[in-house]
Amino acid sequence: GAVVSQHPSRVICKSGTSVKIECRSLDFQATTMFWYRQFPKQSLMLMATSNEGSKATYEQGVEKDKFLINHASLTLSTLTVTSAHPEDSSFYICSAREGTSGAYNEQFFGPGTRLTVL
Amino acid sequence: AQSVTQPDIHITVSEGASLELRCNYSYGATPYLFWYVQSPGQGLQLLLKYFSGDTLVQGIKGFEAEFKRSQSSFNLRKPSVHWSDAAEYFCAVGAYQAGTALIFGKGTTLSVSS
Repeated sequence: GAVVSQHPSRVICKSGTSVKIECRSLDFQATTMFWYRQFPKQSLMLMATSNEGSKATYEQGVEKDKFLINHASLTLSTLTVTSAHPEDSSFYICSAREGTSGAYNEQFFGPGTRLTVL
Repeated sequence: AQSVTQPDIHITVSEGASLELRCNYSYGATPYLFWYVQSPGQGLQLLLKYFSGDTLVQGIKGFEAEFKRSQSSFNLRKPSVHWSDAAEYFCAVGAYQAGTALIFGKGTTLSVSS
């Protein structure tokens, strides 16, 4: 299957700083990318959906000014956690889908980024 | 509303015994169904998927799942569990439309006893 990478895999930052997480589709063009958040021992919760070249659509309860998503190209999306606080500590997983028509476009997942805010 | 229900939060199975993890979905469109496994601190690994056709699908690591439209279920099975199967298992449902994301169940934690 297609490969999605995330960088960094782990990041530790101080409270009040901003952190950027990159998500790349390595061998396909991702028309749509998704960002999920996973708290310990919980399920994946969709945070936002982004389409290349347009603004992201955020799920209810997700602060768009805090979690900035940029999908500037068909292979790269970034999630920036602004003014991070300890409660933002979580496992962030990105996912990507192609947009070709005529068949179901499977969603491929990155390996995740563990964010710890001190 | 679209949702995925995994009724069992935690299951313990003896090594070598059979396993069935339950998944029920509620989805307005034609469902595309998936099972993922996640080890602690790791990302998701796709076990198997159902798009159409034969309702019994085979996956990796000896897992299989059966789609039952009448019961809105997609249960995961394995005839003989190995200690390495201990992990978190997630059922997910998606739609054809490119802009829609997978919806995940809350997961089932599998423990394997010796």
